Amino acid sequence: EVQLLESGGGLVQPGGSLRLSCAASGFTFGSYAMSWVRQAPGKGLEWVSIIYSGGSSTYYADSVKGRFTISRDNSRNTVYLQMDSLRAEDTAIYYCAKAPLRSGDCYCFDYWGQGTLVTVSS
Amino acid sequence: DIVMTQTPLSSPVTLGQPASISCRSSQSLVHGDGNTYLSWIQQRPGQPPRLLIYKISNRYSGVPDRFSGSGAGTDFTLKISRVEAEDVGVYYCMQAKQFPHTFGQGTKLEIK
Repeated sequence: EVQLLESGGGLVQPGGSLRLSCAASGFTFGSYAMSWVRQAPGKGLEWVSIIYSGGSSTYYADSVKGRFTISRDNSRNTVYLQMDSLRAEDTAIYYCAKAPLRSGDCYCFDYWGQGTLVTVSS
Repeated sequence: DIVMTQTPLSSPVTLGQPASISCRSSQSLVHGDGNTYLSWIQQRPGQPPRLLIYKISNRYSGVPDRFSGSGAGTDFTLKISRVEAEDVGVYYCMQAKQFPHTFGQGTKLEIK
């Protein structure tokens, strides 16, 4: 059974940093891209970032580019999101999602975690 | 960026009746490999999102066959043949043709 478990959320002051983790199990982690998607309170879904299976290719939404860094440790089956220079508008539930993006794959987010809440406030 | 526009934003439906949600993209979602990477995602109240449909019309594992997707190019539709109480929630379309991946605003499905 595929499981994605996010952690690391919490309350942080504007300008502060936070590191989210997503521990994966139930599939061959190193074979899949992984993504982060966020949802501000009462709002819709916003794609944040993605990292390909080997870790060398990453992409970011313009809203977080230069402030957030995605990385992964395939030996630990974990993907991370380092969030620096946090702003109030980064307040959201952050979901990690498995993203089959190889040739012939769905190019979708087929599994989602339960999410972790990040609150940026003084 | 590709803008995804859903209509309606709210859809009150009677149990057992059909429902339909439209999604339009600001440019064609046909990828260079010939596939169209449009998916539909359901989010029930208080739950994380869940994949329903991928590549326009492919139902994901475990998704009831009352859900169907159709469309091509820039216009896509999610249909529920007979709405059940468990279908209440918000539905999003999403494009994965190019980065940034983008979502529609969401359509709230509620029971009349």
